[in-house]
Amino acid sequence: EVQLVESGGGLVQPGGSLRLSCAVSAFSFSSYSMTWVRQAPGKGLEWVANIKPDGFEKHYVDSVKGRFTISRDNAKTSFYLQMDSLRVEDTAIYFCSTGAWSLGNWGQGTLVTVSS
Amino acid sequence: DVVMTQSPLSLPVTLGQPASISCRSSQSLVYSDGNTYLNWFQQRPGQSPRRLIYKVSNRDSGVPDRFSGSGSGTDFTLEISRVEAEDVGVYYCMQATHWPPITFGQGTRLDIK
Repeated sequence: EVQLVESGGGLVQPGGSLRLSCAVSAFSFSSYSMTWVRQAPGKGLEWVANIKPDGFEKHYVDSVKGRFTISRDNAKTSFYLQMDSLRVEDTAIYFCSTGAWSLGNWGQGTLVTVSS
Repeated sequence: DVVMTQSPLSLPVTLGQPASISCRSSQSLVYSDGNTYLNWFQQRPGQSPRRLIYKVSNRDSGVPDRFSGSGSGTDFTLEISRVEAEDVGVYYCMQATHWPPITFGQGTRLDIK
């Protein structure tokens, strides 16, 4: 069974940084794009970023461009979201998911709270 | 960006009765390869999203056959033939034809009357 496990969330002040991780198992990790999606408290789903299998092509939603960086380590079957210059509006549960368009498997999510 | 508009946003349903959720996109979701990248997700209370349907009408493994997806172009529908208690949650459509960004509908909250 495919498993995705996020970690790295927590409370951070505005302007601070966090690095989220997603460990993926029982999946052909190196062959697929990977995606981060977030959900603000009580709100809907928002696509954040994805990364192609080779790690070179990356895409971001406009609101995080220049502040967030997605990366991956195929040897560790893990991918990451480095979040810098965090804002209050980045407060959300961050989910990792498999695929670029498919989003067929999801992690349990990790909560990021940006507050002073 | 492609705007996805769901209706209704709230859907109270009697157990055993059918339910239907509409999703409309601001432009056609037919991609140049002939596929239409429209997925449906279910999010039960306190859980992660779960994909139910991919590319308009393909049901995921383990998804009950009372769930079905249909549509084309800009108009899509998720139907539940007979609602059960475990179907309570929020349903989202999502397009991945015109990206970035991938965009989701606002969500439709289904509960039991």
